[in-house]
Amino acid sequence: GENVEQHPSTLSVQEGDSAVIKCTYSDSASNYFPWYKQELGKRPQLIIDIRSNVGEKKDQRIAVTLNKTAKHFSLHITETQPEDSAVYFCAASIHKLSFGAGTTVTVRA
Amino acid sequence: DTGVSQDPRHKITKRGQNVTFRCDPISEHNRLYWYRQTLGQGPEFLTYFQNEAQLEKSRLLSDRFSAERPKGSFSTLEIQRTEQGDSAMYLCASSHDRASNYGYTFGSGTRLTVV
Repeated sequence: GENVEQHPSTLSVQEGDSAVIKCTYSDSASNYFPWYKQELGKRPQLIIDIRSNVGEKKDQRIAVTLNKTAKHFSLHITETQPEDSAVYFCAASIHKLSFGAGTTVTVRA
Repeated sequence: DTGVSQDPRHKITKRGQNVTFRCDPISEHNRLYWYRQTLGQGPEFLTYFQNEAQLEKSRLLSDRFSAERPKGSFSTLEIQRTEQGDSAMYLCASSHDRASNYGYTFGSGTRLTVV
């Protein structure tokens, strides 16, 4: 089955700086790569996603890049704000989602 | 229909009891998924349905777990003879296989505590 690895497990950044989270996947058939933000006690919320026929996608301060050859994809958050503090999960999918272990992001004011 | 609904939100049960959770997906979604999430971990896939057919079950899903989706609408997840290791957040998600981004949407989850 699909195996998704996510790094780092924790990330502390100064407000206004950028945050980068990286994931690798094992199944070359995976074709959909969403990123979720989860706050304590709440459901995972989709923040951005990318399909395998696209290399990069941007939505305001958030961008995702995908390298299918290397089987890795990354989340970039620019101009971080305290409300960006949360746990972020990457996932890879053919139909069901296989999640990474998560990155706890702390934005220091 | 504003999203995926799960009921109950919280369940505390004694070890050995049976529990049942319900998930109501987004009405036009034909796929429904169950995941389990423990503290500090990402959600783990348990099983999924396309319409009323259960198409895949994870090896995590022991014989004590059973899921149904009669008529292809809501789904139930039953855990028999609960164990303390079953304590977790049980998340339901739905999607449509023909949507451009599949439309994955998670419910708020049912937090199970086995005492």
